[in-house]
Amino acid sequence: GQQVMQIPQYQHVQEGEDFTTYCNSSTTLSNIQWYKQRPGGHPVFLIQLVKSGEVKKQKRLTFQFGEAKKNSSLHITATQTTDVGTYFCAGRIPGNQFYFGTGTSLTVIP
Amino acid sequence: DSGVTQTPKHLITATGQRVTLRCSPRSGDLSVYWYQQSLDQGLQFLIQYYNGEERAKGNILERFSAQQFPDLHSELNLSSLELGDSALYFCASSGLAGGAGELFFGEGSRLTVL
Repeated sequence: GQQVMQIPQYQHVQEGEDFTTYCNSSTTLSNIQWYKQRPGGHPVFLIQLVKSGEVKKQKRLTFQFGEAKKNSSLHITATQTTDVGTYFCAGRIPGNQFYFGTGTSLTVIP
Repeated sequence: DSGVTQTPKHLITATGQRVTLRCSPRSGDLSVYWYQQSLDQGLQFLIQYYNGEERAKGNILERFSAQQFPDLHSELNLSSLELGDSALYFCASSGLAGGAGELFFGEGSRLTVL
């Protein structure tokens, strides 16, 4: 079945370092969403990307959607301890549901 | 606060038993989704309802069933429980039918099967 893969599964960074997580699909996606789940919490929507090659920024977070609409990335500049959590991408196949990636768990070391 | 309410927050039961998890979506949202999250795992899509009708089915076991009522709340029924069913079950709601919109997640129901 359809799978949306995310790498890495885990990432430990020193506070102030950058962080990137990548999301890949075997199928062209109509759009992709990103969610953040804090430890012990529930997923919270961050952003949705729709257009090929789209780039969106939210303060220190930069989201990209690949030209072929099969991959996406989330980059955090100068991580802070508040960035700790698991980041999920969720890719949508046209006419179908969102398939969540496996998630990347980010640990920020003060 | 996402506006999505799930009960109970925690549930401990024994193998072979049956439980019902309840979800009230955000006011005005017609779509309800159920997801299962096992320890250190991603979010496995179980099922979606839109305005009372089943819209999409994911990796939902035959022992599990769900429904959405006229007041739009939804229930997920898990029967003949096994140890492996222990997980966090999330409900999410959306205002759009086709799965295109932002999902608002509840805080989840943590099920422990002993």
